[in-house]
Order: sequence, then structure tokens, then C-alpha cells
Amino acid sequence: GQNIDQPTEMTATEGAIVQINCTYQTSGFNGLFWYQQHAGEAPTFLSYNVLDGLEEKGRFSSFLSRSKGYSYLLLKELQMKDSASYLCAVRDYNTDKLIFGTGTRLQVFP
Amino acid sequence: DSGVTQTPKHLITATGQRVTLRCSPRSGDLSVYWYQQSLDQGLQFLIQYYNGEERAKGNILERFSAQQFPDLHSELNLSSLELGDSALYFCASSPRGGVAPYYGYTFGSGTRLTVV
Repeated sequence: GQNIDQPTEMTATEGAIVQINCTYQTSGFNGLFWYQQHAGEAPTFLSYNVLDGLEEKGRFSSFLSRSKGYSYLLLKELQMKDSASYLCAVRDYNTDKLIFGTGTRLQVFP
Repeated sequence: DSGVTQTPKHLITATGQRVTLRCSPRSGDLSVYWYQQSLDQGLQFLIQYYNGEERAKGNILERFSAQQFPDLHSELNLSSLELGDSALYFCASSPRGGVAPYYGYTFGSGTRLTVV
């Protein structure tokens, strides 16, 4: 099975940098995803890692270490609109289903 | 518009009733996934269909069932509803269903079910 852990809540200041960590244990790994979800809305795709290393996409970057079962999402130049939940998800090797962590609720303050 | 259509957007019903949630995947996508998200909870995987056949099952209750039709739309049936079934139900689709290079999920906007 899969087990995914991420912090429940984080706070940060507008313009700052925040790192959201995710650790996972899985029996069949085929990629790690980060999604953003505003309250009551659908999750939207942010990033994908399948190999070790850093993937950068504008203000957002994601890092993966498969040997450590560890990923992080880095958000730079935080804006108020970045206040949302950030979901870490692992894709199952055989079925493509995504198993989500409980999400990290990020609050950005002025 | 993500291309994944879920209806209805909102549903209010009484305990003990049965409801059907509908999902039309993005054009060309063969896989449909259903997720449940209760208040302040993560997305719980319910079930996956690929090209009309059940492919993976999560912690789906026996009172819940789903199917995918030949035109690839899917329905999630929830019966003998309880207060605890109140949640957002999301459908997502992807092009493939098996071992494949990266294909992202596209989520629908969800159906908010309230059981009173």
C-alpha cells in the first residue's frame, strides 16, 4: 500500500519563500505529483517528478529523492492568491491511480 | 473549463436515499477516477475505470457502486445514504490506464453532496 505524510498547516508572509515537504512509502512508485486546491474547488496540477532532482516551473519548484521517499514543493515570491491547500500524490505503477496525502493548508499573510 | 464535466454541481438529499453522480471525461481520455473529499480531509480514492472496465478499487463502501459506459461517461451510485457521506465527489480523467509515460489527471469541478 501507500502512505503519504505532509504537514497539516503552514503560514508564510507575502513575498517570502516556503517549502512544503512530503514523505511517502509505496509498493509501486511511478511518479510524484503536486496539486493546488482552493477551498471547494477542483485540484489543479502544479508539478510532476519521476526522476530524482529538481523541476522548476516559474515560481514553483518540486524536488524528488526516490531513495529517501521524499519530495518538497518550493514556492517563491509568495502571493496572497497562493493561499490554498497543496496536495502531494503518488502514482501507482500498475494502475496509474493517484494516492493523495491529506494536504497542507498554506496561509499567506500580508 | 477543464474538459471534465460533472453533474449535478450540488445535491441535497435525505438519509436513506440513493443518488447518482455523473461524469463525462475529457475527449479522448479512457480512464475515469472517482474521489471523495470530506470536510478538511484529503482526496480518498474510490474507484477507477479504464475503457469500460473496473481497473482499481480503493476504500469504496459496499453501498457505493460505479460503472463506465461505452461512450466512456461514468456514473457513481450512492445508496442508503448516511450523514457521513456528505462530501465533495470529484471525477478525474486521464488518457491511459496502465503503465505509461506521464499522463496527467484532469479533474472535474466536483459534486457537492449534502445528506440531511
